[in-house]
Amino acid sequence: EIVLTQSPGTLSLSPGERATLSCRASQSVSNNYLAWYQQKPGQAPRLLLYGASSRATGIPDRFSGSGSGTDFTLTISRLEPEDFAVYYCQQYGSSPRTFGQGTKVEIK
Amino acid sequence: QVQLVQSGAEVKKPGASVKVSCKTSGYTFTNYAIHWVRQAPGQRLQWMGWINAGNGNTKYSQKFQGRVTITGDTSASTAYMELSSLISEDTAVYYCARSSSHFDYWGQGTLVTVSS
Repeated sequence: EIVLTQSPGTLSLSPGERATLSCRASQSVSNNYLAWYQQKPGQAPRLLLYGASSRATGIPDRFSGSGSGTDFTLTISRLEPEDFAVYYCQQYGSSPRTFGQGTKVEIK
Repeated sequence: QVQLVQSGAEVKKPGASVKVSCKTSGYTFTNYAIHWVRQAPGQRLQWMGWINAGNGNTKYSQKFQGRVTITGDTSASTAYMELSSLISEDTAVYYCARSSSHFDYWGQGTLVTVSS
């Protein structure tokens, strides 16, 4: 099973600042099948990025992803008020599909 | 538009079973898989298994093997997840999600509470 470790656990930033979230895999993610999801309290996760760097439909371009193999990054270029949430990475290249423990982006 | 609508919250006693439904619309049910993911309070998302809605093939996480059954009804465009031998640690929000690879649409979640 691929274990995903996200860092930091919490990121305290102000609107307009840049957020950089990390996701490290215990072994290489097949075909870079790595997705990022955003989750707000009481809501289901929402797909942001897939294939490490492809934005899902309707996702603004301030969200970008990079990385390959075992190290992946989600960057939010300028935080908007609606971006404060928990972010999860997920690998879907091998079974079982696994998720990271999440990074909470909170308002400083 | 694509929608996945899940059944309502459930309260179950330890040892019982629960069956959660996921009614889909806005796309061809048999062209995608449906995965089930749960989230216990304060915990990360945990993948449980999936069904190929086209042919009915299933695969389950070993953590739930023997306790979880995922089925599909193509005539109703609905998937189901049944979890048996419930324990208190199964208290969680259960989600269904549509997938061709990544999970692009999710249901709203169903809270299952296991309590004596």
